[in-house]
Amino acid sequence: KNEVEQSPQNLTAQEGEFITINCSYSVGISALHWLQQHPGGGIVSLFMLSSGKKKHGRLIATINIQEKHSSLHITASHPRDSAVYICGGADGLTFGKGTHLIIQP
Amino acid sequence: NAGVTQTPKFQVLKTGQSMTLQCAQDMNHEYMSWYRQDPGMGLRLIHYSVGAGITDQGEVPNGYNVSRSTTEDFPLRLLSAAPSQTSVYFCASRDRNQPQHFGDGTRLSIL
Repeated sequence: KNEVEQSPQNLTAQEGEFITINCSYSVGISALHWLQQHPGGGIVSLFMLSSGKKKHGRLIATINIQEKHSSLHITASHPRDSAVYICGGADGLTFGKGTHLIIQP
Repeated sequence: NAGVTQTPKFQVLKTGQSMTLQCAQDMNHEYMSWYRQDPGMGLRLIHYSVGAGITDQGEVPNGYNVSRSTTEDFPLRLLSAAPSQTSVYFCASRDRNQPQHFGDGTRLSIL
């Protein structure tokens, strides 16, 4: 069974801080998907990556295939970044439990 | 394009009732999936389909049935609702090696 572990589970930070969310995964996952879910809202795809790094605005995702580890970074965090961030296999079979991020003004 | 459309958005059932959650996508995606999302448990896969006529079980399939008679539709049936099935349900679709598109979710309460 593929497994995905995220850390931290909860994270509260001040506006402007650099944020890192980590995701470790087991053998069998060849590409990773990062998702964002705002409170009471739907789920949107942020990144899908199988190697290297991807950047979109203030969000950066990296993946290390050898270590089976991915990170999601948010630069210059803003209260609107407050959401649950979820990583999972790109095949959609397994997801982590999510990281609840709160950015305080 | 509407993307992935789920209906209803909210539903309250009594224990033992049956119902069908509808999911439709207009992107001609091969893959479709149903998830439930519970506090502290994250997204868990119920059933998925890799094409019309093909379905398979996910992590938590008990109490649910699916069928995929067309590429567009992937309904989820609750056979005899139980309080443990109170959850938020998400449908998603994707093409091979592409990101998933999620519906807006169905909030289901079983009394």
